[in-house]
Amino acid sequence: NAGVTQTPKFRVLKTGQSMTLLCAQDMNHEYMYWYRQDPGMGLRLIHYSVGEGTTAKGEVPDGYNVSRLKKQNFLLGLESAAPSQTSVYFCASSGQTGNTYGYTFGSGTRLTVV
Amino acid sequence: AQKITQTQPGMFVQEKEAVTLDCTYDTSDPSYGLFWYKQPSSGEMIFLIYQGSYDQQNATEGRYSLNFQKARKSANLVISASQLGDSAMYFCAMSSLYGNNRLAFGKGNQVVVIP
Repeated sequence: NAGVTQTPKFRVLKTGQSMTLLCAQDMNHEYMYWYRQDPGMGLRLIHYSVGEGTTAKGEVPDGYNVSRLKKQNFLLGLESAAPSQTSVYFCASSGQTGNTYGYTFGSGTRLTVV
Repeated sequence: AQKITQTQPGMFVQEKEAVTLDCTYDTSDPSYGLFWYKQPSSGEMIFLIYQGSYDQQNATEGRYSLNFQKARKSANLVISASQLGDSAMYFCAMSSLYGNNRLAFGKGNQVVVIP
């Protein structure tokens, strides 16, 4: 039972490079989220999805794009990486009635932009 | 908009003592959920406890209890009988159905348990 799987776990990018972070869940969850975590800031929501084919902006969406072509996958893209995007990225998913226990987090992706 | 506030500085706790972590929140949604997560140095997010806004009783999960005071909009976490493995960052979070189940996090409390 994998839960939420994030790939890659670590990545170093040069400024201006692009990359895609993949989040995959096997729990048939409707909702998926991408967060970033910076020291002293807690987790901040970048983008989220309420179902296959949907995406919406969160608290800090600038510089990121997302896609949810399949229910189980939620991709986070950085088109032109900047040092300010150095962070730890977490993906999470929840059921349709996620207002209970049902949030599951991936193990995180540590991204460094140099 | 939902807002979670955790303002305590880093805390040192003696092993076997209890510790209380403060969390206040602000929301206009009538129905919401409050969560506490633990993040050890290894980095994973570990769910600890949940309290629904309409729950009459305070939530408890083993050594964790949530002191929910709805009128004061506070949801403090109490860890009883601290263990060395409790050393971690602790995050308070909130979600609501009106907010598309998005979890909003506080900035966290650092706890170090000393023997």
